[in-house]
Amino acid sequence: NAGVTQTPKFQVLKTGQSMTLQCAQDMNHEYMSWYRQDPGMGLRLIHYSVGAGITDQGEVPNGYNVSRSTTEDFPLRLLSAAPSQTSVYFCASSYWYRGLGDGYTFGSGTRLTVV
Amino acid sequence: AQSVAQPEDQVNVAEGNPLTVKCTYSVSGNPYLFWYVQYPNRGLQFLLKYITGDNLVKGSYGFEAEFNKSQTSFHLKKPSALVSDSALYFCAVRGAVGSGNTGKLIFGQGTTLQVKP
Repeated sequence: NAGVTQTPKFQVLKTGQSMTLQCAQDMNHEYMSWYRQDPGMGLRLIHYSVGAGITDQGEVPNGYNVSRSTTEDFPLRLLSAAPSQTSVYFCASSYWYRGLGDGYTFGSGTRLTVV
Repeated sequence: AQSVAQPEDQVNVAEGNPLTVKCTYSVSGNPYLFWYVQYPNRGLQFLLKYITGDNLVKGSYGFEAEFNKSQTSFHLKKPSALVSDSALYFCAVRGAVGSGNTGKLIFGQGTTLQVKP
Protein backbone atom coordinates (compact mmCIF):
# COMPACT_ATOMS: atom_id res chain seq x y z
CA ASN A 1 0.00 0.00 0.00
CA ALA A 2 1.16 3.52 -0.74
CA GLY A 3 2.12 5.50 2.28
CA VAL A 4 4.86 6.51 4.68
CA THR A 5 7.08 3.79 6.09
CA GLN A 6 9.10 4.32 9.24
CA THR A 7 11.72 2.02 10.66
CA PRO A 8 12.41 0.87 13.29
CA LYS A 9 9.17 0.83 15.28
CA PHE A 10 10.98 0.60 18.61
CA GLN A 11 14.53 1.43 19.66
CA VAL A 12 16.45 1.64 22.92
CA LEU A 13 19.69 3.62 22.90
CA LYS A 14 22.32 4.34 25.47
CA THR A 15 23.22 7.94 26.17
CA GLY A 16 25.80 9.13 23.66
CA GLN A 17 24.98 6.59 20.97
CA SER A 18 23.98 7.71 17.51
CA MET A 19 21.35 6.28 15.21
CA THR A 20 19.26 6.99 12.16
CA LEU A 21 15.49 6.81 11.97
CA GLN A 22 14.38 5.91 8.49
CA CYS A 23 11.41 7.37 6.61
CA ALA A 24 10.34 6.56 3.08
CA GLN A 25 7.28 7.52 1.04
CA ASP A 26 6.11 6.31 -2.35
CA MET A 27 3.55 9.02 -3.16
CA ASN A 28 5.98 11.40 -4.90
CA HIS A 29 5.38 13.97 -2.18
CA GLU A 30 7.72 16.95 -2.25
CA TYR A 31 7.26 17.81 1.42
CA MET A 32 8.54 15.58 4.22
CA SER A 33 8.89 16.34 7.88
CA TRP A 34 9.80 14.88 11.25
CA TYR A 35 7.84 15.49 14.44
CA ARG A 36 8.31 14.35 17.97
CA GLN A 37 5.37 13.72 20.23
CA ASP A 38 5.67 14.10 23.98
CA PRO A 39 2.87 13.89 26.55
CA GLY A 40 1.03 17.18 26.91
CA MET A 41 3.11 18.87 24.22
CA GLY A 42 1.39 17.81 21.05
CA LEU A 43 3.47 17.47 17.91
CA ARG A 44 6.64 19.51 17.59
CA LEU A 45 8.36 19.94 14.25
CA ILE A 46 12.03 18.91 14.19
CA HIS A 47 13.10 19.32 10.56
CA TYR A 48 11.38 19.48 7.22
CA SER A 49 12.13 19.40 3.51
CA VAL A 50 10.29 20.74 0.48
CA GLY A 51 12.28 18.72 -2.03
CA ALA A 52 15.45 16.78 -2.68
CA GLY A 53 18.48 18.75 -1.55
CA ILE A 54 16.39 21.22 0.47
CA THR A 55 16.02 20.98 4.25
CA ASP A 56 15.23 23.42 7.01
CA GLN A 57 14.88 23.50 10.75
CA GLY A 58 11.63 23.31 12.61
CA GLU A 59 10.77 24.16 16.17
CA VAL A 60 13.11 21.74 18.00
CA PRO A 61 16.08 20.89 15.72
CA ASN A 62 18.91 20.66 18.27
CA GLY A 63 20.52 17.24 18.45
CA TYR A 64 19.10 16.09 15.13
CA ASN A 65 20.33 16.14 11.54
CA VAL A 66 18.51 15.42 8.30
CA SER A 67 19.30 15.09 4.64
CA ARG A 68 17.15 14.65 1.54
CA SER A 69 19.09 13.08 -1.29
CA THR A 70 16.01 11.61 -2.98
CA THR A 71 12.33 12.50 -3.12
CA GLU A 72 11.44 9.24 -1.38
CA ASP A 73 13.70 9.22 1.67
CA PHE A 74 14.12 11.56 4.61
CA PRO A 75 16.25 10.01 7.38
CA LEU A 76 16.57 11.61 10.82
CA ARG A 77 19.91 11.26 12.57
CA LEU A 78 20.42 11.51 16.28
CA LEU A 79 24.02 12.59 16.71
CA SER A 80 24.59 11.79 20.40
CA ALA A 81 21.47 10.51 22.07
CA ALA A 82 20.30 12.09 25.32
CA PRO A 83 17.50 11.03 27.69
CA SER A 84 15.62 14.19 26.67
CA GLN A 85 15.25 12.68 23.22
CA THR A 86 13.11 9.87 24.56
CA SER A 87 9.93 10.35 22.57
CA VAL A 88 7.74 9.04 19.79
CA TYR A 89 8.89 10.23 16.38
CA PHE A 90 6.60 10.62 13.40
CA CYS A 91 7.47 11.20 9.79
CA ALA A 92 4.88 12.90 7.60
CA SER A 93 4.68 13.82 3.94
CA SER A 94 2.47 15.80 1.59
CA TYR A 95 2.34 17.59 -1.72
CA TRP A 96 3.76 21.09 -1.59
CA TYR A 97 4.11 22.75 -5.00
CA ARG A 98 0.88 21.22 -6.24
CA GLY A 99 -0.98 22.99 -3.48
CA LEU A 100 -1.54 22.78 0.22
CA GLY A 101 -5.09 21.51 0.26
CA ASP A 102 -3.99 18.03 1.17
CA GLY A 103 -3.06 17.23 4.70
CA TYR A 104 -0.19 15.09 5.75
CA THR A 105 0.20 11.35 5.49
CA PHE A 106 1.83 10.03 8.65
CA GLY A 107 4.02 7.07 9.31
CA SER A 108 3.21 4.73 12.18
CA GLY A 109 5.91 6.17 14.41
CA THR A 110 9.16 5.16 16.09
CA ARG A 111 9.16 4.84 19.87
CA LEU A 112 12.66 5.77 21.08
CA THR A 113 13.95 5.34 24.61
CA VAL A 114 17.33 6.72 25.62
CA VAL A 115 18.72 5.29 28.84
CA ALA B 1 1.94 33.63 12.23
CA GLN B 2 -0.17 30.50 12.14
CA SER B 3 -1.42 28.98 15.38
CA VAL B 4 -4.02 26.54 16.61
CA ALA B 5 -5.60 26.30 20.04
CA GLN B 6 -7.48 23.37 21.50
CA PRO B 7 -8.72 24.76 24.81
CA GLU B 8 -9.67 21.44 26.40
CA ASP B 9 -7.10 18.85 27.38
CA GLN B 10 -9.84 16.28 27.84
CA VAL B 11 -13.48 15.92 26.92
CA ASN B 12 -15.67 13.36 28.65
CA VAL B 13 -18.97 12.24 27.20
CA ALA B 14 -21.38 9.36 27.72
CA GLU B 15 -21.91 6.90 24.92
CA GLY B 16 -24.83 7.94 22.74
CA ASN B 17 -24.54 11.60 23.61
CA PRO B 18 -23.34 14.23 21.14
CA LEU B 19 -19.73 15.31 21.38
CA THR B 20 -17.84 18.48 20.51
CA VAL B 21 -14.08 18.97 20.49
CA LYS B 22 -13.15 22.62 20.17
CA CYS B 23 -10.53 24.24 17.96
CA THR B 24 -9.72 27.85 17.15
CA TYR B 25 -7.08 29.02 14.72
CA SER B 26 -5.12 32.00 13.56
CA VAL B 27 -3.82 32.29 10.02
CA SER B 28 -3.55 34.99 7.37
CA GLY B 29 -5.79 34.54 4.39
CA ASN B 30 -7.98 31.55 3.76
CA PRO B 31 -7.14 28.58 5.97
CA TYR B 32 -6.86 24.91 5.22
CA LEU B 33 -8.14 23.16 8.35
CA PHE B 34 -7.78 19.54 9.35
CA TRP B 35 -8.70 17.10 12.08
CA TYR B 36 -6.63 14.03 12.84
CA VAL B 37 -7.23 11.20 15.30
CA GLN B 38 -4.64 9.14 17.11
CA TYR B 39 -5.54 5.85 18.72
CA PRO B 40 -3.20 4.47 21.43
CA ASN B 41 0.20 3.41 20.09
CA ARG B 42 -0.76 4.36 16.54
CA GLY B 43 0.07 7.11 14.08
CA LEU B 44 -2.20 10.00 13.21
CA GLN B 45 -5.10 9.30 10.90
CA PHE B 46 -6.84 11.88 8.76
CA LEU B 47 -10.48 12.53 9.74
CA LEU B 48 -11.63 15.46 7.66
CA LYS B 49 -10.61 18.77 6.16
CA TYR B 50 -12.02 22.14 5.19
CA ILE B 51 -10.62 23.81 2.11
CA THR B 52 -13.50 25.85 0.74
CA GLY B 53 -17.24 25.63 0.21
CA ASP B 54 -19.86 24.37 2.65
CA ASN B 55 -19.05 25.28 6.23
CA LEU B 56 -20.15 21.86 7.48
CA VAL B 57 -17.65 19.22 6.51
CA LYS B 58 -18.31 15.51 6.86
CA GLY B 59 -15.53 13.05 7.48
CA SER B 60 -14.70 9.53 8.53
CA TYR B 61 -16.44 7.49 11.26
CA GLY B 62 -19.48 9.81 11.37
CA PHE B 63 -17.52 12.87 12.42
CA GLU B 64 -18.20 16.33 11.07
CA ALA B 65 -16.76 19.77 11.67
CA GLU B 66 -18.15 23.24 11.36
CA PHE B 67 -16.05 26.03 9.97
CA ASN B 68 -16.89 29.45 11.40
CA LYS B 69 -14.87 32.22 9.81
CA SER B 70 -16.08 35.02 12.08
CA GLN B 71 -15.17 33.05 15.20
CA THR B 72 -12.08 31.49 13.59
CA SER B 73 -13.21 28.12 14.85
CA PHE B 74 -13.35 24.61 13.45
CA HIS B 75 -15.05 22.46 16.07
CA LEU B 76 -15.26 18.70 15.64
CA LYS B 77 -18.65 17.13 16.28
CA LYS B 78 -20.43 13.82 16.28
CA PRO B 79 -24.16 13.36 16.94
CA SER B 80 -23.82 10.13 18.93
CA ALA B 81 -20.54 9.14 20.57
CA LEU B 82 -19.21 5.59 20.67
CA VAL B 83 -16.81 4.10 23.21
CA SER B 84 -14.54 3.30 20.27
CA ASP B 85 -14.25 7.05 19.55
CA SER B 86 -12.06 7.40 22.63
CA ALA B 87 -8.74 8.69 21.33
CA LEU B 88 -6.52 11.76 21.03
CA TYR B 89 -7.74 14.37 18.54
CA PHE B 90 -5.61 16.99 16.85
CA CYS B 91 -6.75 20.08 15.01
CA ALA B 92 -4.34 21.56 12.46
CA VAL B 93 -4.15 24.59 10.19
CA ARG B 94 -2.21 25.21 7.03
CA GLY B 95 -1.94 28.62 5.41
CA ALA B 96 -0.69 29.52 1.97
CA VAL B 97 2.99 30.41 1.86
CA GLY B 98 3.57 34.10 2.43
CA SER B 99 1.77 36.74 4.51
CA GLY B 100 3.27 35.23 7.63
CA ASN B 101 2.24 31.70 6.77
CA THR B 102 4.81 29.00 6.28
CA GLY B 103 2.74 26.48 4.38
CA LYS B 104 3.50 23.95 7.08
CA LEU B 105 0.76 22.19 8.99
CA ILE B 106 0.57 23.59 12.51
CA PHE B 107 -1.01 21.35 15.15
CA GLY B 108 -2.90 22.08 18.30
CA GLN B 109 -1.88 20.43 21.57
CA GLY B 110 -4.46 17.71 21.22
CA THR B 111 -7.65 16.84 23.11
CA THR B 112 -8.24 13.46 24.68
CA LEU B 113 -11.78 12.26 24.15
CA GLN B 114 -13.12 9.77 26.69
CA VAL B 115 -16.44 8.14 25.89
CA LYS B 116 -17.86 6.19 28.81
CA PRO B 117 -20.37 3.37 28.39
